[in-house]
Amino acid sequence: IQLTQSPSSLSASVGDRVTITCRASQGISSYLAWYQQKPGKAPKLLIYGASTLEGGVPSRFSGSGSGTDFTLTISSLQPEDFATYYCQQLNTYPITFGQGTRLEIK
Amino acid sequence: EVQLVESGGDLVQPGGSLIVSCAASGFTFSDHYMDWVRQAPGKGLEWVGRTRNRDNSYTTEYAASVKGRFIISRDNSKNSLYLQMNSLQTEDTAIYYCARGDESSGWRSFDLWGRGALVIVSS
Repeated sequence: IQLTQSPSSLSASVGDRVTITCRASQGISSYLAWYQQKPGKAPKLLIYGASTLEGGVPSRFSGSGSGTDFTLTISSLQPEDFATYYCQQLNTYPITFGQGTRLEIK
Repeated sequence: EVQLVESGGDLVQPGGSLIVSCAASGFTFSDHYMDWVRQAPGKGLEWVGRTRNRDNSYTTEYAASVKGRFIISRDNSKNSLYLQMNSLQTEDTAIYYCARGDESSGWRSFDLWGRGALVIVSS
């Protein structure tokens, strides 16, 4: 299953509302996770089950969708949110990731 | 402390072999699915494979790109996960992360990651 994220890169300002989209090539129910990765660091789980916030993740992060279309929304960007974001499907093997969305400071 | 620590990354020649290890601590290792994920320099994340938990007989799954060349194993007495890599190719150059499957999501996410081990395949 291929996952296509859009946009591939995004420039935004602190306080902005940002939405990243992940589209699956076939239905994956709600078995989608979102990760944040900062340079030189391991990925960090943000959301699983398409919309369940991982413990300790700020509530400004939210996820939605099912089937083939999913979104990650950051309601009010903070300086520490500038990173690369990946979606991941775990409905079918092989597990696959989207190509990533790089979120940069405007 | 709950953590994963990889070791064994190295420079290896094309066609060679290498074993990367992942030491787990702070949780019941045998209860968890464990995965390997890699990231080529400047590229995105690629799932390599997984081993299931004790309840699922530690069975394994692999990505097509490594199936038949890589073997995932675990030693639950040592709380350790292994990735044996054979017939290495230059395109296998990457940081190799071990990651823990998240039981609360039905093993449908990775909630703990190591820092990674760098494997370089070059002559």
